Amino acid sequence: DTAVSQTPKYLVTQMGNDKSIKCEQNLGHDTMYWYKQDSKKFLKIMFSYNNKELIINETVPNRFSPKSPDKAHLNLHINSLELGDSAVYFCASSQDLAGDSIQYFGAGTRLSVL
Amino acid sequence: DQQVKQNSPSLSVQEGRISILNCDYTNSMFDYFLWYKKYPAEGPTFLISISSIKDKNEDGRFTVFLNKSAKHLSLHIVPSQPGDSAVYFCAASDGTGNQFYFGTGTSLTVIP
Repeated sequence: DTAVSQTPKYLVTQMGNDKSIKCEQNLGHDTMYWYKQDSKKFLKIMFSYNNKELIINETVPNRFSPKSPDKAHLNLHINSLELGDSAVYFCASSQDLAGDSIQYFGAGTRLSVL
Repeated sequence: DQQVKQNSPSLSVQEGRISILNCDYTNSMFDYFLWYKKYPAEGPTFLISISSIKDKNEDGRFTVFLNKSAKHLSLHIVPSQPGDSAVYFCAASDGTGNQFYFGTGTSLTVIP
């Protein structure tokens, strides 16, 4: 039973399209995250949510909008996709926001924008 | 602004020898440091962590050392095993949950 699952695993789409990536965790955690790993393998936090409230919102374009319908889900919607959005996107969750709280990651979604 | 840096993109070590992975950081407000391990096509998984009030934490074959004055930490794996071959990410947090940074990773290859 996967602790943090994200779908789809692969996403290939055209520039200008709108797409969503879903994430669910069954660990009972309060905090969820979205990360982007670019071509340089740099893993950068995009958003974090704690109890469905936005905590971290790094400087990402407005085209990226996270939605947390409940504590177990944090979906990522991307509008007007651009070539530079091609990356691997990871969802993660942790018990809480404490700095030593271990994050559990999903397997990643590889987004390719053509 | 890369606040956590892993300057060695790759490292090769013979099986049974020690692997030493290094990480440097710039922000003195970081309170916790964590190491994650990542296999291809999988997400990172937690390996070991250390609080800024300690200088060493050990868990089996894995030991993390922290040198706060140098803003440097290292992960020692001994003895190294082929199954340790993966990408290792160093991560740092300021303890509030408002700042969390990963390094760029070091790809470790353990040669049988």
